[in-house]
Amino acid sequence: DGGITQSPKYLFRKEGQNVTLSCEQNLNHDAMYWYRQDPGQGLRLIYYSQIVNDFQKGDIAEGYSVSREKKESFPLTVTSAQKNPTAFYLCASIGTGYNQPQHFGDGTRLSIL
Amino acid sequence: GEDVEQSLFLSVREGDSSVINCTYTDSSSTYLYWYKQEPGAGLQLLTYIFSNMDMKQDQRLTVLLNKKDKHLSLRIADTQTGDSAIYFCAESIPGGSYIPTFGRGTSLIVHP
Repeated sequence: DGGITQSPKYLFRKEGQNVTLSCEQNLNHDAMYWYRQDPGQGLRLIYYSQIVNDFQKGDIAEGYSVSREKKESFPLTVTSAQKNPTAFYLCASIGTGYNQPQHFGDGTRLSIL
Repeated sequence: GEDVEQSLFLSVREGDSSVINCTYTDSSSTYLYWYKQEPGAGLQLLTYIFSNMDMKQDQRLTVLLNKKDKHLSLRIADTQTGDSAIYFCAESIPGGSYIPTFGRGTSLIVHP
């Protein structure tokens, strides 16, 4: 079955540490997205990539970095510059075509130790 | 610009109908989506409607669109405890950068 796989499901970060969240899709989708979800705030866009080797900042990119070296993979690094990283992180992708909805992974919950 | 608004909470009794409302501001041709999020999980697409449609029905789900008022609703018939979740409304504009705008989500609580 095609889908989006996020790992790990739970992640703990120590102060001053960078951590990387994995997102892999086998849907052959060009566009991929990272969102942060906090209680009562809905989804906020961190970064997105519409094609391999290209990505753009979303609304809350500060303290985060991404790469898109392969079509299937869009890892997100939460750097030590992100002072409040505790949240639920969701990865999504979209296929080509105007009516295609986003497909989502099951999320990674990041907490501070 | 785009903005999508939803009420934050809805509580219903099992077996009743639930109606979750959403308003959007962009008047361009647009797709409108409803997603369901269960605790600790990602968003699951429930249904979507294009803005030239008035209604779409899929089993227990009915989507109504009032384009004049930019108002979208999701009706769940015979609501069950398994329907308890957060429901997100989202819109996107075809031909754009494919970045949907999401509402904050409505928490649906179904009690016996």
